[in-house]
Amino acid sequence: NAGVTQTPKFQVLKTGQSMTLQCAQDMNHEYMSWYRQDPGMGLRLIHYSVGAGITDQGEVPNGYNVSRSTTEDFPLRLLSAAPSQTSVYFCASRSGGVGTGELFFGEGSRLTVL
Amino acid sequence: AQSVTQLGSHVSVSEGALVLLRCNYSSSVPPYLFWYVQYPNQGLQLLLKYTSAATLVKGINGFEAEFKKSETSFHLTKPSAHMSDAAEYFCAVTLNFNKFYFGSGTKLNVKP
Repeated sequence: NAGVTQTPKFQVLKTGQSMTLQCAQDMNHEYMSWYRQDPGMGLRLIHYSVGAGITDQGEVPNGYNVSRSTTEDFPLRLLSAAPSQTSVYFCASRSGGVGTGELFFGEGSRLTVL
Repeated sequence: AQSVTQLGSHVSVSEGALVLLRCNYSSSVPPYLFWYVQYPNQGLQLLLKYTSAATLVKGINGFEAEFKKSETSFHLTKPSAHMSDAAEYFCAVTLNFNKFYFGSGTKLNVKP
């Protein structure tokens, strides 16, 4: 039972490089989201999607792009990495019924930008 | 806009002692509230949630939380701490289940 799978688990980038963090879920969840976790700041929402073809911004969207072409996948793109994007990134999904609310998280992707 | 404040970034208790982790929220309307737990190098897992049913919510591993509208609080408690409870705990709030706002987290240390 895979749940939410994130790749890579670790990545080191140089300033200005681009990369994509991958997120896949096998629970047929319509809703998917990306968070970043920084010490003392908890988790902050970057982008979210309520279904294929639909995305919206969260609290801290600048510097990140997303798209949702399938129900299963929700990649996060950094077009030109900056040291301020050094963080641990989590992908989370939930089922479509709004009354449930439970987010299912991946194990995280630790990104360092030099 | 909603927000969550968790008082105390670190809490230390002895094994068998009461655990109390504080969470206060700010919202213009009654929100939905959650507590999540994070073990080292893992993602977050749901402990319990308040979604406008009973104000006293019971979760996994013996944790419970009470929604107090008058105090805008949703504190997490457990009567007797176990070593396995050592982790970081996050309170979260949402109005529409699309945008979730998390607190800064409280690291719980359990002393033998």
